[in-house]
Amino acid sequence: GEDVEQSLFLSVREGDSSVINCTYTDSSSTYLYWYKQEPGAGLQLLTYIFSNMDMKQDQRLTVLLNKKDKHLSLRIADTQTGDSAIYFCAERANTDKLIFGTGTRLQVFP
Amino acid sequence: EAQVTQNPRYLITVTGKKLTVTCSQNMNHEYMSWYRQDPGLGLRQIYYSMNVEVTDKGDVPEGYKVSRKEKRNFPLILESPSPNQTSLYFCASSPQDPGDEQYFGPGTRLTVT
Repeated sequence: GEDVEQSLFLSVREGDSSVINCTYTDSSSTYLYWYKQEPGAGLQLLTYIFSNMDMKQDQRLTVLLNKKDKHLSLRIADTQTGDSAIYFCAERANTDKLIFGTGTRLQVFP
Repeated sequence: EAQVTQNPRYLITVTGKKLTVTCSQNMNHEYMSWYRQDPGLGLRQIYYSMNVEVTDKGDVPEGYKVSRKEKRNFPLILESPSPNQTSLYFCASSPQDPGDEQYFGPGTRLTVT
């Protein structure tokens, strides 16, 4: 079945790069997404990548997709305290839904 | 302002007492969905709706009902809540389907004692 896995926690120093990883099982995934959840709020779409792409860059965000290994990563350059949040990976397979991962809580310390 | 609203934001109730969590969006979106968020389990879909009068089960539909009589509203109904339904609930909507950007409500924290 479809499954999306992430590590639960990541802690980085302000100014460093953060890399959040995600693995998925459905090889037919068409789009993969990163959503961000700030404390006390709902999720917001950060970025997405189409499955025929290897990389997408958007300002401080870089998404890498290794389709062979079914591995997705989100790199945040120059991480700031405002980046502290929970980050969810999600995949869109050939169904009428997104499958979300467990979420990675990113903590940025000064 | 384009948004998804949910009410109530917080609710403490007792086992068996029927409750409804409302969800409304003002963006004329076709697709709406309910999720629950639990520690270590991430976001799991309860029910979704592709259009008015069309609803389908998600991954964890047991103990929940929904309706979609109007495009803007998608209430979540718990006929007989139980403690294992204690969770954080999110409503979301998107223009056409779940692959479009989903807009999430602020969440409803439900405690069932």
